[in-house]
Amino acid sequence: SQQGEEDPQALSIQEGENATMNCSYKTSINNLQWYRQNSGRGLVHLILIRSNEREKHSGRLRVTLDTSKKSSSLLITASRAADTASYFCATDVGIGNQFYFGTGTSLTVIP
Amino acid sequence: NAGVTQTPKFQVLKTGQSMTLQCAQDMNHNSMYWYRQDPGMGLRLIYYSASEGTTDKGEVPNGYNVSRLNKREFSLRLESAAPSQTSVYFCASSEDVGGLRSYEQYFGPGTRLTVT
Repeated sequence: SQQGEEDPQALSIQEGENATMNCSYKTSINNLQWYRQNSGRGLVHLILIRSNEREKHSGRLRVTLDTSKKSSSLLITASRAADTASYFCATDVGIGNQFYFGTGTSLTVIP
Repeated sequence: NAGVTQTPKFQVLKTGQSMTLQCAQDMNHNSMYWYRQDPGMGLRLIYYSASEGTTDKGEVPNGYNVSRLNKREFSLRLESAAPSQTSVYFCASSEDVGGLRSYEQYFGPGTRLTVT
């Protein structure tokens, strides 16, 4: 399987702190995306980074991609209680628009 | 825009029963997907449809069938439900694919299915 794996599986931080979660994958990719899932809801797209990009920002989110290490990281700065959710990376397989999702990092931000 | 809608939200089936999960999107997307989400497993692709009239197997297609009824609707059918199909099912859609370009997927709220 080309499924990505997030690390850590669970993360608990205080409001205002930064949260970093990592994603590792097994084969070459075209793109990598990060999604957020609030409890009991569907996934929501956060950011897409292409294989020829190394870093991308969107608001308080910063994503890096290291294709040589087959890894990506998602940094959420100045976290808020509303950031409490599970975060998934999704790597494409180069076939159509199929993506393989990782197992997710559960983030808890304590007010 | 409602985005991606799914029905039903919850369902309990007995082993051997059949049912169809419905999905519709109003964003004029060509591509639609069905995933299942199990604890600790992430999302796994069951089937996808790159365009109206076409469907392809994903990672875990066994025990399922799909129908791309039209551009808006993509249904998932369980012909003979098994306890192993207890899961949360998500439908998603995305824009056209072209070359190496990929687009974000928009997800529905999910259907929670329990097979006893």
